[in-house]
Amino acid sequence: GAGVSQSPSNKVTEKGKDVELRCDPISGHTALYWYRQRLGQGLEFLIYFQGNSAPDKSGLPSDRFSAERTGESVSTLTIQRTQQEDSAVYLCASSLFQGAIGEQYFGPGTRLTVT
Amino acid sequence: AQTVTQSQPEMSVQEAETVTLSCTYDTSESDYYLFWYKQPPSRQMILVIRQEAYKQQNATENRFSVNFQKAAKSFSLKISDSQLGDAAMYFCAYKETSGSRLTFGEGTQLTVNP
Repeated sequence: GAGVSQSPSNKVTEKGKDVELRCDPISGHTALYWYRQRLGQGLEFLIYFQGNSAPDKSGLPSDRFSAERTGESVSTLTIQRTQQEDSAVYLCASSLFQGAIGEQYFGPGTRLTVT
Repeated sequence: AQTVTQSQPEMSVQEAETVTLSCTYDTSESDYYLFWYKQPPSRQMILVIRQEAYKQQNATENRFSVNFQKAAKSFSLKISDSQLGDAAMYFCAYKETSGSRLTFGEGTQLTVNP
């Protein structure tokens, strides 16, 4: 079956503009995660959705970042008034459920460049 | 807060040889999960191997095996018979049993020389 998909693959934007990044999880996966990966670094957790529960937003770095998820399907990560430090790869992952080992399957990421 | 440390930013190995990547972590939990992910230039994160902390037996997946030392909070990855396709960034990651997020180390860039 299809894996996690993300769009766009690459995005170049000017400082101060808003951007939307999209994630399509694996069908049937109730949990969805967003991570940020700065150049040469590991992944940083941003936000987590589980079914209809309130999302865990504890990793969002500022109020310029927000995310939505419609049911158990598509999620959108929005960054408002982008800054150069927002340049990174944004990775989405999904899993069947949070509990137990909850193996996360990752998408190919969106590379965001803020000029 | 949990932290994951990978002390080797870069490693290299000759094709067909064995290499070990190091990972240490800090946690006050007694039960948790540990993972090694591989990230090739395509950016796709691929799960290589996983270990449940309550299991004493080290996990093995074909040429990949781990040395899990719970008391020392160490979780190293051994790659045997290295292949050119193993060249990638490798990340060690930690997850609480009741938690959702993965906590990643900074990564180790592995080069495989022909």
